[in-house]
Amino acid sequence: DTGVSQNPRHKITKRGQNVTFRCDPISEHNRLYWYRQTLGQGPEFLTYFQNEAQLEKSRLLSDRFSAERPKGSFSTLEIQRTEQGDSAMYLCASSRTGESIQYFGAGTRLSVL
Amino acid sequence: EDQVTQSPEALRLQEGESSSLNCSYTVSGLRGLFWYRQDPGKGPEFLFTLYSAGEEKEKERLKATLTKKESFLHITAPKPEDSATYLCAVVNAGNNRKLIWGLGTSLAVNP
Repeated sequence: DTGVSQNPRHKITKRGQNVTFRCDPISEHNRLYWYRQTLGQGPEFLTYFQNEAQLEKSRLLSDRFSAERPKGSFSTLEIQRTEQGDSAMYLCASSRTGESIQYFGAGTRLSVL
Repeated sequence: EDQVTQSPEALRLQEGESSSLNCSYTVSGLRGLFWYRQDPGKGPEFLFTLYSAGEEKEKERLKATLTKKESFLHITAPKPEDSATYLCAVVNAGNNRKLIWGLGTSLAVNP
């Protein structure tokens, strides 16, 4: 069990550029979650996958955000036309089907200049 | 609306000075309450899950308890390495996939 892996750990980009983050969940976990966290706040739910199906997406999620999990294994989160307000820590978590405990990766810190 | 409130926002202790962190919740049918530890620049690390009032769990210097309205994380004789932000989250019976988070308690333990 190698845990949830996220890449890159840090990303600095200019406003208007597109960025993509990758998450590799724990191998036997069917469920995968993306969160965003800013300083002093708890994680904010973005979206959730059961295998390759995206089953839930936050109403707060802008159309500039898209996530995929094409083969039910790793997932990518893309942000198009980044804005300074997108600067945050992006966290990925995974869990087994039927279990509520979510295990988190170390996160990707995005800075939009 | 489901809500989680943690107190205090920040806590500074001397090494060996025991204390408790509070997590009060309002949720439509508690499915589970979770405690996580988060170090700066890292993702949350799972500590405990509690499912029903009266339940207790322990791990090293940490003990989590649950009532019908709140949970406490007791820290006994803390060490500087216990310094971190402690996050509480709940899951309601209607959606066991979505964690509802508090804002956390930032704990600093001075040597």
